[in-house]
Amino acid sequence: NAGVTQTPKFQVLKTGQSMTLQCAQDMNHNSMYWYRQDPGMGLRLIYYSASEGTTDKGEVPNGYNVSRLNKREFSLRLESAAPSQTSVYFCASSMVGGATDTQYFGPGTRLTVL
Amino acid sequence: QKEVEQNSGPLSVPEGAIASLNCTYSDRGSQSFFWYRQYSGKSPELIMSIYSNGDKEDGRFTAQLNKASQYVSLLIRDSQPSDSATYLCAVNGYGNAGNNRKLIWGLGTSLAVNP
Repeated sequence: NAGVTQTPKFQVLKTGQSMTLQCAQDMNHNSMYWYRQDPGMGLRLIYYSASEGTTDKGEVPNGYNVSRLNKREFSLRLESAAPSQTSVYFCASSMVGGATDTQYFGPGTRLTVL
Repeated sequence: QKEVEQNSGPLSVPEGAIASLNCTYSDRGSQSFFWYRQYSGKSPELIMSIYSNGDKEDGRFTAQLNKASQYVSLLIRDSQPSDSATYLCAVNGYGNAGNNRKLIWGLGTSLAVNP
């Protein structure tokens, strides 16, 4: 049982390049989330998927797109990377996305945009 | 503005002491409260969750919730150097209708336990 996995662990991009961050969970969770974490800003929700087939914007969605490929996988795409997107990205999942749900985090992707 | 506030620290305590971490929140409708621990360079991991007023104990950790005063705290007894980390407070906030409530995160308190 690997929990939540993310690839890649590290990535360096040049401004304007695109990339997709992959996330998968094997806990049979319905809800999945993408966060970014920056010094002094804390964890900020980019997008979330309450269940397979649905996605919704979070606090900071501009510059990102997501795909809930199936129940296990939730990807985050940067179409044209900008230096402001340099951050640590965490994927998380939870059982049903309810008020008492616990979110479980993946190990993170450290992205640098030059 | 719905917010979760924590003292950024660093909070420094000697080994074996009690570490007290505090969190206040602004949304009176919040129902669920979580404490996560994050080691440097790692991802957040759940320490405690609490939903009702009062204390909840799990080993060396005790979470305390006071909804009337809108604060939640985490006590760590017999602190160990391995407890040195950043502790994040998260509170469920408003999202879409139904069960799609999103977590609001504090910026975290850095704890250093000195041998």
